[in-house]
Amino acid sequence: KAGVTQTPRYLIKTRGQQVTLSCSPISGHRSVSWYQQTPGQGLQFLFEYFSETQRNKGNFPGRFSGRQFSNSRSEMNVSTLELGDSALYLCASSLEGNHGYTFGSGTRLTVV
Amino acid sequence: AQSVTQPDIHITVSEGASLELRCNYSYGATPYLFWYVQSPGQGLQLLLKYFSGDTLVQGIKGFEAEFKRSQSSFNLRKPSVHWSDAAEYFCAANAGGTSYGKLTFGQGTILTVHP
Repeated sequence: KAGVTQTPRYLIKTRGQQVTLSCSPISGHRSVSWYQQTPGQGLQFLFEYFSETQRNKGNFPGRFSGRQFSNSRSEMNVSTLELGDSALYLCASSLEGNHGYTFGSGTRLTVV
Repeated sequence: AQSVTQPDIHITVSEGASLELRCNYSYGATPYLFWYVQSPGQGLQLLLKYFSGDTLVQGIKGFEAEFKRSQSSFNLRKPSVHWSDAAEYFCAANAGGTSYGKLTFGQGTILTVHP
């Protein structure tokens, strides 16, 4: 059974650009959550999607957005990148969103 | 505010020694509780979870955790540590209900294992 797949693994972007990260959940999982991990702030919740609908959102600016497709795959987008957006972005999938989360290996984003 | 606290930033143990990593939570009601492990540059692997019932939870890799409501704690234990257990460990909680997908994490505890 394939795990949670995140692409790409590494990204380098320039300040002011935008970026799109992708997450394919475990087959049958309909809930996808996104997290940002930085040394200073730790792991912080970005948002959660279920059946193409955002059900929860963390305390991040509007530059951070996401969406989910009918096959449960999800993307997150960060516009107008700032140096502080450099982080490991993790995606997690779950059957319905509260019981057990499986994480992907993450996308390491570096903003220069 | 809901929070999870891991009091120990860094713990060092000798291989073969026992291990206990501490976790305290602050929630209005008992949340769902999780322990994850992360190796450098990798994602998070679920070790175990507690939803209700038996307060001693068994997980993978020989880990167990004990839920203590009176102390708002969910400490992770292992009787004999192996060098491969060196990693960062995160305690996390979810409030249930409509808190879909929203895990609140502790700051993590880095485990170093000496041979």
